Amino acid sequence: EIVLTQSPGTLSLSPGERATLSCRASQSVSSSYLAWYQQKPGQAPRLLIYGASSRATGIPDRFSGSGSGTDFTLTISRLEPEDFAVYYCQGLTFGGGTKVEIK
Amino acid sequence: QVQLQESGPGLVKPSQTLSLTCTVSGGSISSGSYYWSWIRQPAGKGLEWIGRIYTSGSTNYNPSLKSRVTISVDTSKNQFSLKLSSVTAADTAVYYCARDRVVGDILTGYYFNWFDPWGQGTLVTVSS
Repeated sequence: EIVLTQSPGTLSLSPGERATLSCRASQSVSSSYLAWYQQKPGQAPRLLIYGASSRATGIPDRFSGSGSGTDFTLTISRLEPEDFAVYYCQGLTFGGGTKVEIK
Repeated sequence: QVQLQESGPGLVKPSQTLSLTCTVSGGSISSGSYYWSWIRQPAGKGLEWIGRIYTSGSTNYNPSLKSRVTISVDTSKNQFSLKLSSVTAADTAVYYCARDRVVGDILTGYYFNWFDPWGQGTLVTVSS
């Protein structure tokens, strides 16, 4: 089973800053392997990125995904107030999540 | 656009069977090359994929839950369902249904997928 490890567990940033979230796979995977989701309290997860780097419909271009092999990254270029949430990566399993909180 | 809605009892007794239904609206469950999945999330914890079904009836389950899970589909009602047997308190969670786009070959394990859209989720508590 391929395990996905997300880091950091919590990221404390201010609006306007750049957020870089990591998802590491326990073994090398296809470059299209990963999806990313955003989840706000009391809501279902929302798809942000699929195929490692393709933005889902309606997702702002400040969200971008990249990576290959074992290391994948979700980048939020400039944090907006509505971006503070928990983010999950997903392959055949889900990562443990990264919480992006307001500093 | 396609929307999903979970329904079923919010309270299940230990050792009994949890049963949930997901109703798909805004499109046919049979159209397109989509699977349909169940995912759960205990309070304050992460997401766990439970299993998926294709409209042909072909299923694929999380190995850790496989012995207790049955997913079925009713295309005439545009619904798919989850049954989880012998539940314990550890099965208490918010249960989500989601459309599941799979690229590759599930049988060989060489595939990737994503879930979109999701239902709003339903809380199921296991307690006597």
